[in-house]
Amino acid sequence: RKEVEQDPGPFNVPEGATVAFNCTYSNSASQSFFWYRQDCRKEPKLLMSVYSSGNEDGRFTAQLNRASQYISLLIRDSKLSDSATYLCVVSLIGGFKTIFGAGTRLFVKA
Amino acid sequence: DAGVTQSPTHLIKTRGQQVTLRCSPKSGHDTVSWYQQALGQGPQFIFQYYEEEERQRGNFPDRFSGHQFPNYSSELNVNALLLGDSALYLCASSFPGAGDNEQFFGPGTRLTVL
Repeated sequence: RKEVEQDPGPFNVPEGATVAFNCTYSNSASQSFFWYRQDCRKEPKLLMSVYSSGNEDGRFTAQLNRASQYISLLIRDSKLSDSATYLCVVSLIGGFKTIFGAGTRLFVKA
Repeated sequence: DAGVTQSPTHLIKTRGQQVTLRCSPKSGHDTVSWYQQALGQGPQFIFQYYEEEERQRGNFPDRFSGHQFPNYSSELNVNALLLGDSALYLCASSFPGAGDNEQFFGPGTRLTVL
């Protein structure tokens, strides 16, 4: 079993749609959680951190369920510019080791 | 403020050769992590350097080694290259004091092994 598993995708959605990505992690010692975005042939960039209480940044909402070891990302009112690969990321205590999921590709169509 | 820089951007090697990749962290960062990203996959953690020492290592063979210099820059060395080593190699820097351990990535070095 992979340490971080994501929906395989790809997700093809029209502009304005709401899309949700799911992620599970296996190591209960995981302490920090993130969503990164990676555009084609570019480096990953932090989209948002994920907190137990849930957090929102504009059209993006992230949720964490530690008991179920589950992380989600919700994108509302999708834009063409949201087309990218979304990477679920988990860091172990101390941030010494960071595990990336395989990523979920999102295509937003006009 | 310069971000994370990596060199070279592209590299072509043949099986059995050795390669050295270089990374300069973002200003103010003292921790460098290296990742291997194969096509269609997420980045895989190779190792992390802090205070010139390897602090944590992923599931990579000893052919992969690294170094961190007093100015926090880092090198990744891969010996006896295999075809399967072809990938994008990403360097990321962070500052331990950052509570969320956000990592800033460089543009990567694309290695092709023939």
